[in-house]
Amino acid sequence: GEDVEQSLFLSVREGDSSVINCTYTDSSSTYLYWYKQEPGAGLQLLTYIFSNMDMKQDQRLTVLLNKKDKHLSLRIADTQTGDSAIYFCAEFILTGGGNKLTFGTGTQLKVEL
Amino acid sequence: DTAVSQTPKYLVTQMGNDKSIKCEQNLGHDTMYWYKQDSKKFLKIMFSYNNKELIINETVPNRFSPKSPDKAHLNLHINSLELGDSAVYFCASSPNDGPQHFGDGTRLSIL
Repeated sequence: GEDVEQSLFLSVREGDSSVINCTYTDSSSTYLYWYKQEPGAGLQLLTYIFSNMDMKQDQRLTVLLNKKDKHLSLRIADTQTGDSAIYFCAEFILTGGGNKLTFGTGTQLKVEL
Repeated sequence: DTAVSQTPKYLVTQMGNDKSIKCEQNLGHDTMYWYKQDSKKFLKIMFSYNNKELIINETVPNRFSPKSPDKAHLNLHINSLELGDSAVYFCASSPNDGPQHFGDGTRLSIL
């Protein structure tokens, strides 16, 4: 299956941590990505993790991968108003029929003062 | 600037018309893609090309015809536009097993 699920909305206060969750179903994923989309803009690659890793940290971003449960999360420390956007997880699958990204449904993050 | 660039950014046209969206990447990537984002922000792949060859066609109506004159360009031509074609269309490129880099999108509105 290729379903990638995310909760639709998350609201946090400025300065708090945000955790955005994602579940996927295809165990042959080689990479898992997080993209950010600001209003009216394109998709910005935030970070990615290889499927054989458990965790990756990049400044304020921490990605956790639980391959057994097919669960991916993105933690944003010290969330700022500029982090307000839609966040998409995506699984990348290398196949003989063509490599592709399957995107999650997106999580709208709202940061309140 | 190294980037994926697509034109036009906005496209407003009437039902039944034919239109094209252009995409170019100067990242030296081998693979290019077209995605459609609907009004609920759901993103779905339409096509992928690797070195000018069609690799993926995700059951897109044949009114949509991608064309790749060289590996740095992937254009999308749409015939007989319908109301349901209104969406944001994103072009992307990637190395064969690396992350995809996206253009800023083309917002297509059908009147």
